[in-house]
Amino acid sequence: DIQMTQSPSTLSASVGDRVTITCRASQSISTWLAWYQQRPGKAPKLLIYKASSLESGVPSRFSGSGSGTEFTLTISSLQPDDFATYYCQQYSSYSTFGQGTKVEIK
Amino acid sequence: QVQLVESGGGVVQPGRSLRLSCAASGFTFSSYGMHWVRQAPGKGLEWVAVISLDGRNEYYADSVKGRFTISRDNSKNTLYLQMNSLRAEDTAVYYCAKGRGPLEYYFDYWGQGTLVTVSS
Repeated sequence: DIQMTQSPSTLSASVGDRVTITCRASQSISTWLAWYQQRPGKAPKLLIYKASSLESGVPSRFSGSGSGTEFTLTISSLQPDDFATYYCQQYSSYSTFGQGTKVEIK
Repeated sequence: QVQLVESGGGVVQPGRSLRLSCAASGFTFSSYGMHWVRQAPGKGLEWVAVISLDGRNEYYADSVKGRFTISRDNSKNTLYLQMNSLRAEDTAVYYCAKGRGPLEYYFDYWGQGTLVTVSS
C-alpha cells in the first residue's frame, strides 16, 4: 500500500501570507496526486489534480507542484476563506489520503 | 448541476448491518466510476470502495474487504454500500464521490455525507 505523509499537521498563518504544504509518498506515484480543501462540517472540495492542474473555478492563488514522491500545495496569498484543512491524495494505486494539514489563523 | 445525496446512516449495534444509498443527478451516472470515502469523527479521509461504471468491477480498502459491498443501479442513478459485521471503528461520516472519469480515482463531486455510528 502507498502511504502519504503531509507536513506540517498544523500551520498558523495570517491573511496575505504565502503558505506551503508538503506531501510525500512512500513510493513513486508519478503525478497521480490531488489536493482537497475541507471546511468544518463540509465535504472536501477538489483544488488540484494531476499534481499541478487547477480545478475549474478554483482561485489561481492555489498551485501544486511535484512528481515522483514529493509534492507541494502553495497558497500565494492566504485569504480568510482559506482557513481550512487540506488533504493530499494519491491515485496511482487505488487511493490513499494524507492525514491532513490544518491551516489556522495566527 | 451535479448532486449526490446520501441516506441510510444512523446508530447500529456492533455486528449488525446497514445499507447506505447515494442518489445521483445532474450527470450521466452510468458513465462514471463511483466511490465511497469515510471520515471518522475528528480524523482524516479514508477511501473505502470503488465500483466501475457498469458495476462489473469493485475494489475495497483492506479495512472493509469481506464485510462491505459496493453496488449500483444505473437505471435508478443510485449507488449503494452494504455494510455487514459493523465494528466500532466503522463509525464515520460516509461520503459518496464521483470519479472524474470512468477510471479516475480522484473525485470532482462529493455528497454531504451520512453519519454511521456503531455503538451498543
